Amino acid sequence: SQQGEEDPQALSIQEGENATMNCSYKTSINNLQWYRQNSGRGLVHLILIRSNEREKHSGRLRVTLDTSKKSSSLLITASRAADTASYFCATANAGGTSYGKLTFGQGTILTVHP
Amino acid sequence: KAGVTQTPRYLIKTRGQQVTLSCSPISGHRSVSWYQQTPGQGLQFLFEYFSETQRNKGNFPGRFSGRQFSNSRSEMNVSTLELGDSALYLCASSRLSGRENEQFFGPGTRLTVL
Repeated sequence: SQQGEEDPQALSIQEGENATMNCSYKTSINNLQWYRQNSGRGLVHLILIRSNEREKHSGRLRVTLDTSKKSSSLLITASRAADTASYFCATANAGGTSYGKLTFGQGTILTVHP
Repeated sequence: KAGVTQTPRYLIKTRGQQVTLSCSPISGHRSVSWYQQTPGQGLQFLFEYFSETQRNKGNFPGRFSGRQFSNSRSEMNVSTLELGDSALYLCASSRLSGRENEQFFGPGTRLTVL
């Protein structure tokens, strides 16, 4: 079963605009990771944010984490047509025997029009 | 550094057959996790191996099994294939604990069961 929800399910924007995707989850986490997937291919790791971090940047990506609300957001600034892909958040649960298990959201399909 | 490799990339089988998929992690990575991706269920965790030991298993029937070798390469096996096993199978490697580190995914094996 999925850990949580991603919002929106689909997002269509023009090149140069910013894209924001949100992710909510249900349990206490060790970290949250964002991935990109192009058209049924493998997942590309974008960024990992740990439970004790609130914000992280990587190039045009900005991720925030609010553990009190159990939510995260991914902001892509100055989007490009090449950013067109599905974006997934995945959580690694804290404690227990979850070890390497990542629980994925259902993803946001981002389309960037040239 | 070479990424995660998976073989074969595409596979067509018929119901009742069995299949073995292979995954070679990034050099130096000791954790390998497997995921199944379908349009209906999304990305679901199958199992994780670390130092040749299965540390965690998802909610899949016993027809799904795996193993890890001393060089960290991993295989997963599906016996008595069903139509519903058609999916993209992804493996991911992580340096140490898959829970605390980034997981890097391979391109996947697309399995079609006829």
